[in-house]
Amino acid sequence: QKEVEQDPGPLSVPEGAIVSLNCTYSNSAFQYFMWYRQYSRKGPELLMYTYSSGNKEDGRFTAQVDKSSKYISLFIRDSQPSDSATYLCAMPMIYNQGGKLIFGQGTELSVKP
Amino acid sequence: NAGVTQTPKFQVLKTGQSMTLQCAQDMNHNSMYWYRQDPGMGLRLIYYSASEGTTDKGEVPNGYNVSRLNKREFSLRLESAAPSQTSVYFCASTSTGGRQFSYEQYFGPGTRLTVT
Repeated sequence: QKEVEQDPGPLSVPEGAIVSLNCTYSNSAFQYFMWYRQYSRKGPELLMYTYSSGNKEDGRFTAQVDKSSKYISLFIRDSQPSDSATYLCAMPMIYNQGGKLIFGQGTELSVKP
Repeated sequence: NAGVTQTPKFQVLKTGQSMTLQCAQDMNHNSMYWYRQDPGMGLRLIYYSASEGTTDKGEVPNGYNVSRLNKREFSLRLESAAPSQTSVYFCASTSTGGRQFSYEQYFGPGTRLTVT
């Protein structure tokens, strides 16, 4: 079993839809939970991160962590064609082993006008 | 600031050929990483360098070597390329330690490598 699992999709939604992207993880010691966005033929960029449980909102994006279920989500409200990208969840290895991250497989999202 | 730069952007190799992928960052980061990205596999760590002068294996190091030339530069070498090494390669860097959030990795634009 991978430490971080993510449904690779692809996911296609109409413009304006609410999008839910999810990851599960197996290591209960993870404390930080990150979402990267990767546009086609580009490198990933950090979108947002949360610490421990709870929600964090940034504009149309909300990151949610449920540590009891080992489940994290990224919600996108009023999705736009410019949100079309691959979204990767990531978690730092415990004890900060050289800053290494464990990535999910990434979910490819397409928002149709 | 250029951030993280990678050369070349594209490369086609024949099986058995060797090549070096170059990476440089101008953000004074101490840690640098090499990943490969394959469809459905996400980003897999090949090697990393937590600080100048140190390198360590990641998840998929076989067939690769690295050199941390100085604080700015971290190169990845394929000694004898195989078709299984066809992939997109990303270099990343971060500044570990300190009081601010230190897990954000900054990525280069990638190198698309095809081995025939």
